[in-house]
Amino acid sequence: QKEVEQDPGPLSVPEGAIVSLNCTYSNSAFQYFMWYRQYSRKGPELLMYTYSSGNKEDGRFTAQVDKSSKYISLFIRDSQPSDSATYLCAMRDYKLSFGAGTTVTVRA
Amino acid sequence: NAGVTQTPKFQVLKTGQSMTLQCAQDMNHNSMYWYRQDPGMGLRLIYYSASEGTTDKGEVPNGYNVSRLNKREFSLRLESAAPSQTSVYFCASYLSTSGRAHEQFFGPGTRLTVL
Repeated sequence: QKEVEQDPGPLSVPEGAIVSLNCTYSNSAFQYFMWYRQYSRKGPELLMYTYSSGNKEDGRFTAQVDKSSKYISLFIRDSQPSDSATYLCAMRDYKLSFGAGTTVTVRA
Repeated sequence: NAGVTQTPKFQVLKTGQSMTLQCAQDMNHNSMYWYRQDPGMGLRLIYYSASEGTTDKGEVPNGYNVSRLNKREFSLRLESAAPSQTSVYFCASYLSTSGRAHEQFFGPGTRLTVL
């Protein structure tokens, strides 16, 4: 079993919809929880991070962490075609462990 | 700042050939990483260097070697390439003393095909 599980999708939504992404994990030692965005044929870039449990909001993006359930989520409100990318969750103990990534397409 | 740069961008090898992937960063980061990305597998750590002069194995080190040439540069070598090493390779770096160890910066990747 992988340490971090993420549904690879793909996910296709109309412009303006809410995008909901999630990951589950098995390692209780994870303290930092990250979401990276990766555009086609580019390297990943950090989108948001959360320390321990709780919510964090940044513009149209909201990250949630539920350590009791070992479950993290990313919500994108009012999605735009420019949000079309692969979203990777990542978690850290002494190193980063990544999910497989979910490919999202926002249709204009 | 160029950030993290990788060369080459694309490479095709025949089975058994060797090659070195180059990575350099100009952000004065102390830690550097090599990952491979395969469909459905996410990013898997091959090797990392926590600081200049040190290297350690990651999750999938077999068939690879690394050299931390100096603080800026971290190379990945395939001694005898195999088709299973067909992948996209990413180099990343971060400043561990910043307390923001989650904030790794990635290069643009090298797409390698082994025939």
